[in-house]
Amino acid sequence: GAVVSQHPSRVICKSGTSVKIECRSLDFQATTMFWYRQFPKQSLMLMATSNEGSKATYEQGVEKDKFLINHASLTLSTLTVTSAHPEDSSFYICSALTTGGTGELFFGEGSRLTVL
Amino acid sequence: DAKTTQPTSMDCAEGRAANLPCNHSTISGNEYVYWYRQIHSQGPQYIIHGLKNNETNEMASLIITEDRKSSTLILPHATLRDTAVYYCIVSTGANSKLTFGKGITLSVRP
Repeated sequence: GAVVSQHPSRVICKSGTSVKIECRSLDFQATTMFWYRQFPKQSLMLMATSNEGSKATYEQGVEKDKFLINHASLTLSTLTVTSAHPEDSSFYICSALTTGGTGELFFGEGSRLTVL
Repeated sequence: DAKTTQPTSMDCAEGRAANLPCNHSTISGNEYVYWYRQIHSQGPQYIIHGLKNNETNEMASLIITEDRKSSTLILPHATLRDTAVYYCIVSTGANSKLTFGKGITLSVRP
């Protein structure tokens, strides 16, 4: 299947700093990418939908000024957690939608953020 | 998107078939049934999807009832590496976001 890569896979940062997570579709173009967050022992929660060349659509309760999403090209979307706090510590997962066919969704390996 | 209900957990013996049920009684005519799985600390992995006909690929088979209100994912010969959380999701497909429920935890025992 298609490959979606996230970087970094793990990151530890101090409270108050900002962290950028990259999501790349390696062998296909993705006009739409999705960002999820997963807390321990819980399911994935959709944060936002990222569309290439336009503003992201955020789910209810997700602060757009805190979680900045940029989808500048058809193969790259970035999530920046601004002024991170310990409660932002989580597993962040991106997914990219293939164009054509039935639009299968492929997921990255996830990025584990720990805010001290 | 329609909601799905799955048992919380199940187990099966290695080498045996694992049959994972899913109820989606409010599914709409244009919604597909998708199955994904998540092995601990990894991103979800696509398994299979279908609309109304049964589907089979190298990983699994998907059996959808005639009324489309329920489905079963079949792993024909479960291995220890199949231990994971399996998510059944209904969605209209292209350009539609997937909403994950709690999934079913499958434990494959030696």
